[in-house]
Amino acid sequence: GAVVSQHPSWVICKSGTSVKIECRSLDFQATTMFWYRQFPKQSLMLMATSNEGSKATYEQGVEKDKFLINHASLTLSTLTVTSAHPEDSSFYICSARGTSGSTYNEQFFGPGTRLTVL
Amino acid sequence: KNEVEQSPQNLTAQEGEFITINCSYSVGISALHWLQQHPGGGIVSLFMLSSGKKKHGRLIATINIQEKHSSLHITASHPRDSAVYICAVTADKLIFGTGTRLQVFP
Repeated sequence: GAVVSQHPSWVICKSGTSVKIECRSLDFQATTMFWYRQFPKQSLMLMATSNEGSKATYEQGVEKDKFLINHASLTLSTLTVTSAHPEDSSFYICSARGTSGSTYNEQFFGPGTRLTVL
Repeated sequence: KNEVEQSPQNLTAQEGEFITINCSYSVGISALHWLQQHPGGGIVSLFMLSSGKKKHGRLIATINIQEKHSSLHITASHPRDSAVYICAVTADKLIFGTGTRLQVFP
């Protein structure tokens, strides 16, 4: 089946530093990837929609200058949390939407990245 | 009122029991997803439905488009089924339910 990977799976950083999270579709192409965050015991919240070769679309209330998204290829999107602060500590999950064949229009989720900002 | 509602919020069962989790939605959708999230946090997509019924192993998912309702059934439940099950619908974007926390005891 289609697999989405995220790297790193967890990261601890100091306040004020930037953290980059990678999301890769391993065996299929995805022109669209999605970034979510999840607070403990809460549902996933869509942060932004990332389209290959164009600017990401951010949901209301999500700071685009703080959460930089780059979707440089059909298999890779990155989320950079800039100048991270403790309130950015969360579980970040990406998903990739297949573009053809058996993966067409289906979303596949990555395993998530747990970010802790000290 | 949430656009996607799940019931129950929490569910405990003995190993072997038949389990049903319900999902109701109030928006027009093109598809409905059932997701499984284990304690470590990773999410697995179990089903994507736009009509009818799908079966994979001990899992069965059904959807009634007219009633805007879907159910996820687990037959012969096992402790390894313990997880949070999330219903999500594809409208203009993916809208998530709040999840059902299932614990299956041996």
